[in-house]
Amino acid sequence: DAGITQSPRYKITETGRQVTLMCHQTWSHSYMFWYRQDLGHGLRLIYYSAAADITDKGEVPDGYVVSRSKTENFPLTLESATRSQTSVYFCASGPRESSYNEQFFGPGTRLTVL
Amino acid sequence: AQRVTQPEKLLSVFKGAPVELKCNYSYSGSPELFWYVQYSRQRLQLLLRHISRESIKGFTADLNKGETSFHLKKPFAQEEDSAMYYCAPLCRKLVFGQGTRLTINP
Repeated sequence: DAGITQSPRYKITETGRQVTLMCHQTWSHSYMFWYRQDLGHGLRLIYYSAAADITDKGEVPDGYVVSRSKTENFPLTLESATRSQTSVYFCASGPRESSYNEQFFGPGTRLTVL
Repeated sequence: AQRVTQPEKLLSVFKGAPVELKCNYSYSGSPELFWYVQYSRQRLQLLLRHISRESIKGFTADLNKGETSFHLKKPFAQEEDSAMYYCAPLCRKLVFGQGTRLTINP
């Protein structure tokens, strides 16, 4: 099931370092999303993209940067990591923002910021 | 403010017992509604969507517009139903509830 992949799967970094999480999908889905999963908060949307070169903020965008130069890739960068960004990050994709279409999730990246 | 609430963080029932996972939403308009599930060591995946009126793995979800609820139900729980469940209304974007961890005891 290699439709949507994330790398790395696990990452430990230090406060202040820049970290980039990669997301790649092979379905040519228009939409891609980044979520973080935290205990007590469920899944929260960080950024999303409707197409290449189109990105928009989600619920918790502060401290994150995204880009989408190609349809299949949607990297998420933490410019200066903080301990509060320790979380599990999920990338997802979907064919379009339609009520009938589901989002497909990657396996997640567990990030620890020391 | 638009919001989705799953009031139970943890829910534990015995095998064979009925199970109901609650979801309440506060949205303007009529959002489409979904339930997503994450089994242990697996990816988050769609369980069912309201628009399809479907029953998946014995689960159904009833939309009550008056109460703005979309509770997930199964009459006889099975051990393999143990997982994390997220209610997710779609109103331009999917917004996930905090999740309910369901444990089915043997």
